[in-house]
Amino acid sequence: EVQLVESGGGLVQPGGSLRLSCAASGFTFSSYSMNWVRQAPGKGLEWVSYISSSSSTIYYADSVKGRFTISRDNAKNSLYLQMNSLRDEDTAVYYCAGGFNVWGQGTTVTVSS
Amino acid sequence: DIQMTQSPSSLSASVGDRVTITCQASQDISNYLNWYQQKPGKAPKLLIYDASNLETGVPSRFSGSGSGTDFTFTISSLQPEDIATYYCQQYDNLPPLTFGPGTKVDIK
Repeated sequence: EVQLVESGGGLVQPGGSLRLSCAASGFTFSSYSMNWVRQAPGKGLEWVSYISSSSSTIYYADSVKGRFTISRDNAKNSLYLQMNSLRDEDTAVYYCAGGFNVWGQGTTVTVSS
Repeated sequence: DIQMTQSPSSLSASVGDRVTITCQASQDISNYLNWYQQKPGKAPKLLIYDASNLETGVPSRFSGSGSGTDFTFTISSLQPEDIATYYCQQYDNLPPLTFGPGTKVDIK
């Protein structure tokens, strides 16, 4: 079964850090570019970051540039998002997505004091 | 950055009705457009890729058309299980990859 499973979400204070993980199974992870997409409560979808299959190309949304770092380990079939200097507005469900057709179930990040 | 707009923002239709959603890009994106369905509490699901291609396993009542800046998504016969929010997304010019604001579809 093709699957992405996110983990690492939780409650964190403003200015804090979290590392999200996304474990892939059932498909050739190393062949897929990957994205992180988030959705604030009651809001639409917002793209966060992109990484190519070989990690040679990385992009970030302006809203997270300089604070978030995307990475992957193809040997471990895993995608990561290191989130530093978190703000209230980073509160959202974070989805990892393989290409555009494989999505995880999401992990919730809440930034609050 | 390419901006995506969708209309309407919400609609209410009867079972069996034809439903049409439009999406407009702020500049030419060729056919680099996806359509997603998202049900409450669930991840988005890809329905249409490259503006008009049906993703494997998606019912044929869903379709997409258009190129350049203007795109249309159609449900030919609305079913109760189609209640969801639908998003368009461009991937012609990254970064950023941009989504439309969504269209919420309800049953009348």
